[in-house]
Amino acid sequence: KQEVTQIPAALSVPEGENLVLNCSFTDSAIYNLQWFRQDPGKGLTSLLLIQSSQREQTSGRLNASLDKSSGRSTLYIAASQPGDSATYLCAVRSSAAGNKLTFGGGTRVLVKP
Amino acid sequence: EAQVTQNPRYLITVTGKKLTVTCSQNMNHEYMSWYRQDPGLGLRQIYYSMNVEVTDKGDVPEGYKVSRKEKRNFPLILESPSPNQTSLYFCASSLTGNMNTEAFFGQGTRLTVV
Repeated sequence: KQEVTQIPAALSVPEGENLVLNCSFTDSAIYNLQWFRQDPGKGLTSLLLIQSSQREQTSGRLNASLDKSSGRSTLYIAASQPGDSATYLCAVRSSAAGNKLTFGGGTRVLVKP
Repeated sequence: EAQVTQNPRYLITVTGKKLTVTCSQNMNHEYMSWYRQDPGLGLRQIYYSMNVEVTDKGDVPEGYKVSRKEKRNFPLILESPSPNQTSLYFCASSLTGNMNTEAFFGQGTRLTVV
C-alpha cells in the first residue's frame, strides 16, 4: 500500500526566503509524482509533473527533485513572495495504489511580507 | 482554455434529498475521477472512469454513484445524502488512465448536508 507524507504540515517564512517542501512515499515503484497548489476554497492547480525516469523538473521559480530509491521528492520555490502562500500537495501515481493518485496531507505555507 | 468544470461550487442540502454534482472537461480526456477532501484525511478517490461506459470504485465509494455516458461528462450522484458526506469534492481528468499522464482538477464543490 502506498502512503505519502508531507512534513512539515505548516511553514511560515519571510518574503524573499527560499522555500523547501518535502514529500516522502513508502513504495518507490512509482510512475510519476505531481506537485499541486491549493488556495483556500479553490481547486488544485498542477505545478510540476515528474516522471519516474526523471530526477527533476523546473518551471520558473519552482524546481522539484525526485529520488525514487529513497522515496523522496522536494519542491523548491526560490525567492518566495506573499502570493506563494497556499497549501502545497504532492501526489504519486503507482501500481501499489492501482494506478490512481495517492496524496500527501499537504504543507500549508505562509509567506510574510 | 483547457479546463475541468464542476457545478455547483457550493451546495447546502438536507439529508436524503438526491443531488448531482456535474463535471465536464474539454480536453478529450479518457480518464476521469472524483475525490473528496476532508480535514485530517486528505484527498481520497471515490470513483473513476477509464473511458465511456467504464466506471469503477475508488477507495470510498459508499453512498455515491457515477455515470459516464459521454467522454466529457462524469457526474457524481448522491442518491440519499447524509451528513457524513459533507466534504469538498473534486473532479479530475487525465488524457488516459495509464501511468504517465498528468492530472487536472476542477475548482471543487463544497457540499454541506444538514
